[in-house]
Amino acid sequence: AQRVTQPEKLLSVFKGAPVELKCNYSYSGSPELFWYVQYSRQRLQLLLRHISRESIKGFTADLNKGETSFHLKKPFAQEEDSAMYYCALRAPREYGNKLVFGAGTILRVKS
Amino acid sequence: DAMVIQNPRYQVTQFGKPVTLSCSQTLNHNVMYWYQQKSSQAPKLLFHYYDKDFNNEADTPDNFQSRRPNTSFCFLDIRSPGLGDAAMYLCATSRDWAEQFFGPGTRLTVL
Repeated sequence: AQRVTQPEKLLSVFKGAPVELKCNYSYSGSPELFWYVQYSRQRLQLLLRHISRESIKGFTADLNKGETSFHLKKPFAQEEDSAMYYCALRAPREYGNKLVFGAGTILRVKS
Repeated sequence: DAMVIQNPRYQVTQFGKPVTLSCSQTLNHNVMYWYQQKSSQAPKLLFHYYDKDFNNEADTPDNFQSRRPNTSFCFLDIRSPGLGDAAMYLCATSRDWAEQFFGPGTRLTVL
């Protein structure tokens, strides 16, 4: 079964400090992984996906198949980064292509 | 320019009294999803419609039903809500299996 683990419920950093939100997954095939973000009082939205290899709002995430990880990183945190972050894995077509979410990590950036 | 709209945002119902949550979209997406998110937990897929085809998750209780009368609208019916059904209910849409766009959610309280 597909599973996504985010070990930290809360990550608190100071403004300007590096950020790493951890995500580990269990999946036997080639995974498709995403990071979703939910800012206060806003809807859940896609932040980035591993296949795009893009940087969004200074965040990057690299898929490490050996460690089955997809950690989200940003070199210098900003206060507006404070939000709930969810890592998600897309199940294969035979399982309906559904998204399997981790439990989420609250990122709190302090000034 | 709301894209995925959920009504109501807050719903209070009594134990055992049927309740319907509504989702509409202006994106003309062919896939619509319903997720349940309990406090401090990951969003959990209940079911989805691919066009008119209904796909129920294996562990979705029979108490939960859905209707999709047309492309734009999808309803979540809870036939006999229990205290354990109190949660945030998220609707999402996608064009085939591309990025999912989420609504703001409906918070259901069961008294």
